[in-house]
Amino acid sequence: EDQVTQSPEALRLQEGESSSLNCSYTVSGLRGLFWYRQDPGKGPEFLFTLYSAGEEKEKERLKATLTKKESFLHITAPKPEDSATYLCAVQAGGNDYKLSFGAGTTVTVRA
Amino acid sequence: NAGVMQNPRHLVRRRGQEARLRCSPMKGHSHVYWYRQLPEEGLKFMVYLQKENIIDESGMPKERFSAEFPKEGPSILRIQQVVRGDSAAYFCASSPPGTGLYEQYFGPGTRLTVT
Repeated sequence: EDQVTQSPEALRLQEGESSSLNCSYTVSGLRGLFWYRQDPGKGPEFLFTLYSAGEEKEKERLKATLTKKESFLHITAPKPEDSATYLCAVQAGGNDYKLSFGAGTTVTVRA
Repeated sequence: NAGVMQNPRHLVRRRGQEARLRCSPMKGHSHVYWYRQLPEEGLKFMVYLQKENIIDESGMPKERFSAEFPKEGPSILRIQQVVRGDSAAYFCASSPPGTGLYEQYFGPGTRLTVT
């Protein structure tokens, strides 16, 4: 069974204080790894897809990287509006199209 | 371009009643997925459908739950004889047709409360 573990569970940052979130995974034949952002009371919002080890993607203050066993989401100089729960999900290969999610990391950025 | 639409956004049912949750995928998308988020838990896959076909229902409880995606109209997740443990947020996601790697785009969710 696919397993996704995110750490830490919660992260409190000062505005401008860069940090990283970790997502470690076990999957049979990774098709893709996804990062989503979820605000309270809303649905997950797609951020990135990573396909293969060594790949990196960037969007504003966020940068996602992928190795064979884990992914990192780096938040550079965060702002209060970056406060959210960040979810990592994997999609296995073959005929399996479901996403298996981690429990998420809740990031709070204080001004 | 409208995103994934779900309704109702909030649904209150008494124990034993039926709940019907609707999902309209993004324009051009023909694959629909349902996920459930229980309080203090992560998102869990329930079912994957294409038009008129259930492709994967490995995450669906064996009893009381059913899903459909008819040729015309939205996808429906139906929960019969609801119990308090069914209280959760139910999210629908959609992706384009094809068998490649496509992102799944989520709707705002339906929050079901069973009293």
